[in-house]
Formats: sequence, structure tokens, C-alpha cells
Amino acid sequence: DAGVTQSPTHLIKTRGQQVTLRCSPISGHKSVSWYQQVLGQGPQFIFQYYEKEERGRGNFPDRFSARQFPNYSSELNVNALLLGDSALYLCASSSGTHNEKLFFGSGTQLSVL
Amino acid sequence: KNEVEQSPQNLTAQEGEFITINCSYSVGISALHWLQQHPGGGIVSLFMLSSGKKKHGRLIATINIQEKHSSLHITASHPRDSAVYICAVSGGSNYKLTFGKGTLLTVNP
Repeated sequence: DAGVTQSPTHLIKTRGQQVTLRCSPISGHKSVSWYQQVLGQGPQFIFQYYEKEERGRGNFPDRFSARQFPNYSSELNVNALLLGDSALYLCASSSGTHNEKLFFGSGTQLSVL
Repeated sequence: KNEVEQSPQNLTAQEGEFITINCSYSVGISALHWLQQHPGGGIVSLFMLSSGKKKHGRLIATINIQEKHSSLHITASHPRDSAVYICAVSGGSNYKLTFGKGTLLTVNP
């Protein structure tokens, strides 16, 4: 089985632009969560989705939004990009929401110029 | 003060040495995760525990809920163990994980 896949792997945008990042969970996993990791720091929680519903949201501005599709894949959207949005964006999937093991994708490296 | 503190931030060891990485947290938790991140970004979940001790190969993780402390031990360390080790805690039924900043481990041959 394929692991968690994220696309694209790398992305360069300019300030003010919008970006969409994609995540496909492991087959059978219904929960997807998103994290932002700035260089040299630990990841920070952005969103969790389960069964297409938002189940948790971290301390991020409304410029960040996400959704989950019927096939459990997910998109993370960031509007009005700022230089500070440059980071590695990680997606993780799990079978449920109650502290099951997480499986991470390799991430999307976003650079905002 | 961060809710999750790891020590040390950096650790250099010789191949074969016993390694210990510590994690302290200040909030009530339902589970604690130990993660491994190699250069390039990919994260692998090593352990998830809410009490006691778990062992997988050369890796051992322990947690003391009363003291709000966990340790990750690596026995007979090897250069391929070189990575960033991250402690993360979850406090409820969703994945609002709170992460430590990570410990960069370098094992020299």
C-alpha cells in the first residue's frame, strides 16, 4: 500500500498569492491532519479533519483553510501569502481520532518570496 | 514557557553509545508521541504511549504521568540513528498535537 502522499513536493510563490497543497491518506484512513514546520522548529498543528468534518483547528489566521473530500483526501489552502508562511507543510493520516498512530507524508516545502 | 520541553537540543555520540533524550510537558495529556525526522522532512512515528514503557528493537520509550516526563532511549547507537527526535503530546480526542522543538542526534562512526 502507498503511504501518505503529498503534492507538490516543493513550491515557490510570491507574497499575496494563494496556494493549494494536497494530501492523500493511507487507504482506509479517515483522519487527516495538517502541520506547519518552520525551519529549526517543531511542527505546529493547523487542522484535523475526520469524515469530511473539521475536528480541530490550531492557532492560525483565517487565511488558512482546508477541506476533506469523500475519498478522504484533503487540501490545505493559504490565501494572501506572507513571507512568514514559508515552511514545510506536513500532512498525517490515521484510522480514527482517538490517539491512533500517525503516518506522515514527506511534506510540501513552500517558499514565499 | 513551551508546553513541551526537550533536552538536550543537540546530542553527539559515538557509535555504540547508549542515548537518552528527555521530554517534559506541563499540561494534562492523553498520549505522548515520539517521532523521528530525517533530513528532507519525512517524519516517522516511533512510539505512542500513555503509560509505562514500550520497546521496539533498540529503541525504548518510557513515560511517567505523575512527573509529566518521558524518555527515549537508544541502545547500541548507530550512525543511521542520526536524525531529529521530536516529542509531541495530545490532550484530547483530536490531533491537536503540541510538539517539542526536537533533539538533533548525530552518531559518529
